[in-house]
Amino acid sequence: EDKVVQSPLSLVVHEGDTVTLNCSYEVTNFRSLLWYKQEKKAPTFLFMLTSSGIEKKSGRLSSILDKKELFSILNITATQTGDSAIYLCAGGGRGSTLGRLYFGRGTQLTVWP
Amino acid sequence: DGGITQSPKYLFRKEGQNVTLSCEQNLNHDAMYWYRQDPGQGLRLIYYSQIVNDFQKGDIAEGYSVSREKKESFPLTVTSAQKNPTAFYLCASTPLQGVNGELFFGEGSRLTVL
Repeated sequence: EDKVVQSPLSLVVHEGDTVTLNCSYEVTNFRSLLWYKQEKKAPTFLFMLTSSGIEKKSGRLSSILDKKELFSILNITATQTGDSAIYLCAGGGRGSTLGRLYFGRGTQLTVWP
Repeated sequence: DGGITQSPKYLFRKEGQNVTLSCEQNLNHDAMYWYRQDPGQGLRLIYYSQIVNDFQKGDIAEGYSVSREKKESFPLTVTSAQKNPTAFYLCASTPLQGVNGELFFGEGSRLTVL
């Protein structure tokens, strides 16, 4: 059974801290891993990763994929209160499962001022 | 502006009633999806469709039905057979060539069963 597991499920930090969010996956015929940020309503896209070892970066956020260990991390440096959100990880495969993403339960990040 | 429109944003229903959630997109995307989100549960796939007049069950299809008569529309009916329908429902779409890439989400519909 395909699945995506995120950890921790909840994290509370202070502004300025650096956080690392974890995502492990088991997806048949794996093709891509995606990270989303969800504040109140619709998730917003952060990164899509398809190759191992290539870091994707956007401002204070960065992410990397390890296809050997079936693992991805999302790093946020110098956190701000605006980073408070649920961070979702999702995996997608090829073949018969093409077109659907498997989501983890999310990490609820709270950043205190 | 291009995007995905879900309606209604909030909906209350009594037990035993069917309700239909609307999802319309003007992005010319081929694939559309319905996810359900419960607190602490992430997103779970209900149904998805890659072309008109065709759709597949996701992980939690029981008690739900969909149709895809037009490319831009993918309504979800929550039937009385769904045991715990109170949840946040998200519709999403993606172009077929971008499948397994970025999903574009609507703003969601929050259904509460009284």
